[in-house]
Amino acid sequence: SQQGEEDPQALSIQEGENATMNCSYKTSINNLQWYRQNSGRGLVHLILIRSNEREKHSGRLRVTLDTSKKSSSLLITASRAADTASYFCATDALGNQFYFGTGTSLTVIP
Amino acid sequence: ETGVTQTPRHLVMGMTNKKSLKCEQHLGHNAMYWYKQSAKKPLELMFVYNFKEQTENNSVPSRFSPECPNSSHLFLHLHTLQPEDSALYLCASSQDIGELFFGEGSRLTVL
Repeated sequence: SQQGEEDPQALSIQEGENATMNCSYKTSINNLQWYRQNSGRGLVHLILIRSNEREKHSGRLRVTLDTSKKSSSLLITASRAADTASYFCATDALGNQFYFGTGTSLTVIP
Repeated sequence: ETGVTQTPRHLVMGMTNKKSLKCEQHLGHNAMYWYKQSAKKPLELMFVYNFKEQTENNSVPSRFSPECPNSSHLFLHLHTLQPEDSALYLCASSQDIGELFFGEGSRLTVL
């Protein structure tokens, strides 16, 4: 399987701290995406990084991609209680197939 | 509001029932997907439709039957399900291999 695997499975931090979560995958990809899911809801797209990119920013989010290590990281700076959610990475290879991992559950304590 | 609407949001059914989940996207996308989300498991890609043609069926049991009558609508017909099929079923759409737009999901409970 070429699904992404997020690490850690769970993360608990204080409001204002930075949160870092990682994603590893198994095969070559065209792009890697990060999604967020609030409990029992649908997933919301956060950011897409292409295989020829190394870093991308969007507001308080910073994503890096290392294709040689087949890994990516998502950094959320100055976390807020509203950032509490599960975060997933999704990878694709050939065709319209996106594979997700089990996610990182982030809890931001006010 | 993501532009992808799923109904019903909650469904309880017995193992002998027949029911359907519906998904509609208002984004003009050319691809639609069904995913299954169970506790502590990765999202499982079930079916992919491109331009109404099914392009992927990831070894999904025949008790799940998809239907895509046009590029805006996707159904998942359910028949003779098992309790382990209880899960959150998520529909998504995309334009080519781009960002996925998800619906809020249909929470299915099989008794």
